[in-house]
Amino acid sequence: QVQLVESGGGVVQPGRSLRLSCAASGFTFSTYGIHWVRQAPGKGLEWVAFISFDGGSSQYGDSVKGRFSISRDISKNTLYLQMNSLRPEDTAVYYCAKDYCSGGTCYGHYFDYWGQGTLVTVSS
Amino acid sequence: EIVMTQSPATLSVSPGEGATLSCRASQSVSSRLVWYQQKPGQPPRLLIYTASTRATAVPARFSGSGSGTEYTLTISSLQSEDFAVYYCQQYSDWPLTFGGGTKVEIE
Repeated sequence: QVQLVESGGGVVQPGRSLRLSCAASGFTFSTYGIHWVRQAPGKGLEWVAFISFDGGSSQYGDSVKGRFSISRDISKNTLYLQMNSLRPEDTAVYYCAKDYCSGGTCYGHYFDYWGQGTLVTVSS
Repeated sequence: EIVMTQSPATLSVSPGEGATLSCRASQSVSSRLVWYQQKPGQPPRLLIYTASTRATAVPARFSGSGSGTEYTLTISSLQSEDFAVYYCQQYSDWPLTFGGGTKVEIE
């Protein structure tokens, strides 16, 4: 069965950096795009970033563009999110989420499996 | 950016009754719309994609409809496990955007 397990969350001071990881199993990691989605405490969902199945393209939400970077290591079946210049408003549970679409021709993107999430708290 | 607006924010329903949740997009999303269910402490679960297709293992009491800018999620007879928050999401264009959610609570 599909499993996505996030790690790397914690408490970090404003302006510092943090890297999240997401270990994937139960599907062919190299053929699916993967996303990060976050949820601030008591709030709704916000899409953060996407990386294509082959790592050749990526997309970012406006609130993180230029500060966050998504990457993947196919040999380790692992997704990463490098978060720099963190702000208090980045405080959230960060989920990795598998795209529904396999391969390169996708009619849009949505999420068919989600991890349990990892909490990032940005506070001094 | 396509703005997604859900209504109502909270819906109070008795078990066994039906519920209708609405989602409006600021421009047409051409049925590229999904619904998720989220229970406390859990990640979201995919319910409906392409506006009206149920995901795997989703009960038939959940149905989706709509087109253009207006979409609806209907739960025909609420069971105890259906009390949760429901989100719509458009996948017509980047950035992917969600509605603010509708909380379905027990009346």
